[in-house]
Amino acid sequence: KAGVTQTPRYLIKTRGQQVTLSCSPISGHRSVSWYQQTPGQGLQFLFEYFSETQRNKGNFPGRFSGRQFSNSRSEMNVSTLELGDSALYLCASSLRDIAGEQFFGPGTRLTVL
Amino acid sequence: QKEVEQDPGPLSVPEGAIVSLNCTYSNSAFQYFMWYRQYSRKGPELLMYTYSSGNKEDGRFTAQVDKSSKYISLFIRDSQPSDSATYLCAMSPNTNAGKSTFGDGTTLTVKP
Repeated sequence: KAGVTQTPRYLIKTRGQQVTLSCSPISGHRSVSWYQQTPGQGLQFLFEYFSETQRNKGNFPGRFSGRQFSNSRSEMNVSTLELGDSALYLCASSLRDIAGEQFFGPGTRLTVL
Repeated sequence: QKEVEQDPGPLSVPEGAIVSLNCTYSNSAFQYFMWYRQYSRKGPELLMYTYSSGNKEDGRFTAQVDKSSKYISLFIRDSQPSDSATYLCAMSPNTNAGKSTFGDGTTLTVKP
């Protein structure tokens, strides 16, 4: 069974630009969650989608948004990039939104210059 | 102060040693406790998932939860070089993954 895939793996952007990251969950998984991981703040929850609906949202500004498609693939978008947005962005999928059932992808490393 | 504090490390041990990784927390509502392992350039991988207080064993790994002390531990017996990774603790008041709070991680190196 293929794991969670994320594209691209690495990305370099400049301040003010916007970026779109993609996540393909494990086949059959309907829940997709996004996390930001930084050395200073650790791993923080961004949002979770289930069957194309956002069910949970973390404490991030509105510049961070996401969506999920009918095939469960998900994208997250960050607009007006700031230097502090440099991070590893992780996607996790599960059949349900259960903490102990999540499978993480390898992440997208975003660098904002 | 963070809700979840994890021993920062880094930790370096010889092969075969017993490793103890620890986290403390302040939110008494936490009921579910998890340990993840994260290799370099990879996403976190769930190792252990426990509910409430007590011990749980899986092969060389043992997770302990002491809710009265708000303290959780992960023990690794007979540590191997392949155990070298960053270990993250996480905890949640319910099963909802979005409510999980993660520790900052402890980097472990097991030397052959």
